[in-house]
Amino acid sequence: QVQLQESGPGLVKPSGTMSLTCVVSGGPISSTNWWSWVRQPPGKGLEWIGEIYHSGTTNYNPSLKSRLTISVDKSNNQISLKLSSVTAADTAVYFCARGETRYAGGKDWGQGTLVTVSS
Amino acid sequence: QSALTQPPSASGSPGQSVTISCTGTSSDVSSYKYVSWYQQHPGKAPKLIIYEVTKRPSGVPDRFSGSKSGNTASLTVSGLQAEDEADYYCSSYAGSNRVFGGGTKLTVL
Repeated sequence: QVQLQESGPGLVKPSGTMSLTCVVSGGPISSTNWWSWVRQPPGKGLEWIGEIYHSGTTNYNPSLKSRLTISVDKSNNQISLKLSSVTAADTAVYFCARGETRYAGGKDWGQGTLVTVSS
Repeated sequence: QSALTQPPSASGSPGQSVTISCTGTSSDVSSYKYVSWYQQHPGKAPKLIIYEVTKRPSGVPDRFSGSKSGNTASLTVSGLQAEDEADYYCSSYAGSNRVFGGGTKLTVL
């Protein structure tokens, strides 16, 4: 059973850069899985952020692409997200998820981590 | 990319069936067989209940079923149970990215 655990700063100042990590346990990150980030502003719906394959191939939400970097760290079995020039609109619970294939949806999810953008 | 369109709410009595729609465009739902549905209870992570339009992950009851016609996908929950009360989100592959619906709150009366 693959488990995912997100971690992050909790509070980020406007115009700053947020960095999140998703540690994967119960299986190697270097498998035929796709790893995604999804966020959910308080009281609102889900928004797809982007995805990465263990090879490093990435796909990003066009609305975030200019500010976004998703990377994979095979040695520590984790994926990371960096989002720059953050505003209050980036305040959300951030989830990481595992898809067994690129098209099969997120089968396993972390519990999410809340990031608040505020001065 | 625009969000997929879902009704904000749906409801049904225990034992009844409810269908939730998810309308997209020619850039997503109608062009690909890669629609997923998620169930989310308050304060919890989403749970995958349908993928590739009609497939159910192991452990998901067969009361949950999915379909698609044109640019509209649908989730049907049969034999409603109290624990089915939750938010439901559709998602579609859209070329090099994905898009979610706005979510539907399902109430079991």
